[in-house]
Amino acid sequence: AQSVTQLGSHVSVSEGALVLLRCNYSSSVPPYLFWYVQYPNQGLQLLLKYTSAATLVKGINGFEAEFKKSETSFHLTKPSAHMSDAAEYFCAVSLRGGKLIFGQGTELSVKP
Amino acid sequence: NAGVMQNPRHLVRRRGQEARLRCSPMKGHSHVYWYRQLPEEGLKFMVYLQKENIIDESGMPKERFSAEFPKEGPSILRIQQVVRGDSAAYFCASSPTLRDRDTSGANVLTFGAGSRLTVL
Repeated sequence: AQSVTQLGSHVSVSEGALVLLRCNYSSSVPPYLFWYVQYPNQGLQLLLKYTSAATLVKGINGFEAEFKKSETSFHLTKPSAHMSDAAEYFCAVSLRGGKLIFGQGTELSVKP
Repeated sequence: NAGVMQNPRHLVRRRGQEARLRCSPMKGHSHVYWYRQLPEEGLKFMVYLQKENIIDESGMPKERFSAEFPKEGPSILRIQQVVRGDSAAYFCASSPTLRDRDTSGANVLTFGAGSRLTVL
């Protein structure tokens, strides 16, 4: 069975600092991996996805994530946080063509 | 492209009433998913439907909850005899058929803005 664990339900960074949101997955076969962002009272928006084409995936808004099979991780990073990055971030896993299984989410706060 | 449309955005029901949540997928999408988000929790998968078929309902509570995606019209998530514990945000997502996906074959879900159910 697939699962996703996001380490840290709340992360706080200063504006301009590095953002690192952690995600570890469990899957018996090579998975697809996703990061979504949710702003308050809105739906989820796709940030980026891993589909085995490249281990370093670049997404929107300056975010990127690196797939590390040996660590079963897919951590999300951004070199410099902006106030507008404050939101909840969800990591998700799926097998080919299937439903997405989401982690518990990480709320990112950005301090001025 | 109007995206995934959900209505109502907010719904208030008293205990014992019925709640109906509607979802119109993106144009060209034929797969619909329903997720529930409880306060301070992540998204929990409920059900996956294609037109006139339930593909996976492994996340649906056994009682009071049902979903459909008819040949014509939106997908509907129905909750009968609501209880306070049903208060949550319900999100619908849609995705294209396998044939219409990008070359990776990844199943990218596009989400609606959600329907927030409050049970008094």
